[in-house]
Amino acid sequence: NAGVMQNPRHLVRRRGQEARLRCSPMKGHSHVYWYRQLPEEGLKFMVYLQKENIIDESGMPKERFSAEFPKEGPSILRIQQVVRGDSAAYFCASSPKNEQFFGPGTRLTVL
Amino acid sequence: QKEVEQDPGPLSVPEGAIVSLNCTYSNSAFQYFMWYRQYSRKGPELLMYTYSSGNKEDGRFTAQVDKSSKYISLFIRDSQPSDSATYLCAMSIRDDKIIFGKGTRLHILP
Repeated sequence: NAGVMQNPRHLVRRRGQEARLRCSPMKGHSHVYWYRQLPEEGLKFMVYLQKENIIDESGMPKERFSAEFPKEGPSILRIQQVVRGDSAAYFCASSPKNEQFFGPGTRLTVL
Repeated sequence: QKEVEQDPGPLSVPEGAIVSLNCTYSNSAFQYFMWYRQYSRKGPELLMYTYSSGNKEDGRFTAQVDKSSKYISLFIRDSQPSDSATYLCAMSIRDDKIIFGKGTRLHILP
């Protein structure tokens, strides 16, 4: 039973480029969450999605960030025009209803 | 005042000792309480999940929640070097977004 899968595991972008992070939830899980972990900081909630719906995006920056969880395929976290401050580890979690199980994360480095 | 406070450590204890980790929080609306373990450059791994006050035991791990004091604890018995990791307390109001502590780095000395 595969866990939460994230790819790529490492992503390097130059300032101004776009970053796309993908998350495939565990089988049978219909809830997906994205969190960001900055160096020496705790995990911070970004967005909560169910299939084709954004349930809570209160943690998303107002500009440049977007997320989707389409009917088919993985959830995508998209960061447009990346800046150095976007460098962080981005974690996806999935849940059947209660407990959240985390993926291995994508480490984004912005040069 | 931060929503969740957790001593970052590091905490070093000898192998076999009992480890006590804890967090305090300010929002009395929190109902769900969790502990995650995170190894370096890995994703968080769920250790314990509890609802409301009380104790929960799973193998060498015991989680305690005291809502009246807004205080949660994780105890690790018979600690092993493989327990060396960062431990994150976490909580939520409903079964949705989780608020995390910053984590306590734990070192078990062989």
